[in-house]
Amino acid sequence: DGGITQSPKYLFRKEGQNVTLSCEQNLNHDAMYWYRQDPGQGLRLIYYSQIVNDFQKGDIAEGYSVSREKKESFPLTVTSAQKNPTAFYLCASSIGLAGDYNEQFFGPGTRLTVL
Amino acid sequence: SQQGEEDPQALSIQEGENATMNCSYKTSINNLQWYRQNSGRGLVHLILIRSNEREKHSGRLRVTLDTSKKSSSLLITASRAADTASYFCATADSYNTDKLIFGTGTRLQVFP
Repeated sequence: DGGITQSPKYLFRKEGQNVTLSCEQNLNHDAMYWYRQDPGQGLRLIYYSQIVNDFQKGDIAEGYSVSREKKESFPLTVTSAQKNPTAFYLCASSIGLAGDYNEQFFGPGTRLTVL
Repeated sequence: SQQGEEDPQALSIQEGENATMNCSYKTSINNLQWYRQNSGRGLVHLILIRSNEREKHSGRLRVTLDTSKKSSSLLITASRAADTASYFCATADSYNTDKLIFGTGTRLQVFP
């Protein structure tokens, strides 16, 4: 089955620890995105990547880091510098740019809780 | 943030009724998309409307776009309990075409 997967589904972290969220897609999409969603709110863009070995900051990149070493994978690291990391994290991919009339395909999400 | 606003924030209706959700945005856009999110899940794409289109249909969904008012509406006809979800609009800016900007969402509850 083609799709986009995220792991783990639930993640608990102690304050001061870095954690890495996994995102993998087998849709052969060039673009990948990480969003953060807080309760009752919309999605805010953290980082995005249009091509392997390149990525750009979104609206709320502080305290996060990413890599794009393979087309299929776009892991997100939540660092200890992120002041309020408890949230629902969504990964998405698309075949191309939003401005080229491309829809985004979303993974099931990872719920991160800082204890 | 350039997030759009959706109205209403929450909507409760009976099965069989129509549901209308509105989205307003701030910039010149290339296209507008609607997504659905079931509780605790990822988003699913519903429909895309281009800036030069005024109306688009897909099954029980009807989307309108008024670029002069910077607004869009999503109509779900003959709603079902399974339509219960949050609905988000997302815009692709005309000048920054890399990404989508998501609205705040409308939570729809359809009672059997």
